[in-house]
Amino acid sequence: EVQLVESGGGLVQPGGSLRLSCAASGFTLSDHYMDWVRQAPGKGLEWVGRSRDKARKHTTQYAASVEGRFTISRDDSKSSLYLQMNSLKTEDTAVYFCARDRAGNYSWDYWGQGTLVTVSS
Amino acid sequence: QSALTQPPSASGSPGQSVTISCSGTSNDVGGYNYVSWYQHHPGKAPKPIIYEVTKRPSGVPDRFSGSKVGNTASLTVSGLQAEDEADYYCGSYAGGNNPPWVFGGGTKLTVL
Repeated sequence: EVQLVESGGGLVQPGGSLRLSCAASGFTLSDHYMDWVRQAPGKGLEWVGRSRDKARKHTTQYAASVEGRFTISRDDSKSSLYLQMNSLKTEDTAVYFCARDRAGNYSWDYWGQGTLVTVSS
Repeated sequence: QSALTQPPSASGSPGQSVTISCSGTSNDVGGYNYVSWYQHHPGKAPKPIIYEVTKRPSGVPDRFSGSKVGNTASLTVSGLQAEDEADYYCGSYAGGNNPPWVFGGGTKLTVL
């Protein structure tokens, strides 16, 4: 059974940093593109960024709103995906989901439950 | 403000049908057959219910169906059941734009 479990959320001050983790099980992480998607309170979903599969050397892509501040990485040996968030802003407050790309279909087939990040002084 | 426009709420009685719209542009919904829909019970993982406009993942009841006309996609839930009460989000691939994926603001479906 495929499972994605996020962790690492919490309260952080503006300008601070936080690293989120996504523990994957039930599939081979290295074979899949993985994304981070967030949902601000009372708002819709927002794509944050992507880590491509091992065949594409885990290259990454980011939304303009987080480019230069957020970094996606992974450790396939630990079946874990990470989101390093620096220079956090209040508008980064959201529930952050990791999601597995549905290969070739430009959507996602599995999502985690999310972890809440609150940026506030 | 979300890139795709959904009504904030929809409702129907058990057994009825309800349709939720998702309006975009020729750069996203209208330009690609990569519209997807997700059911979300707050606090739980979003569940994919439609991908590539009309396709249902394994295990999703055929009461859920998707369609698209021009720049507007739609999700229809037939034979409403109490467990269908949830938030529903549409998403679309947007090609070479940034971001390459855009979503709607979500529709709260209430089963009366």
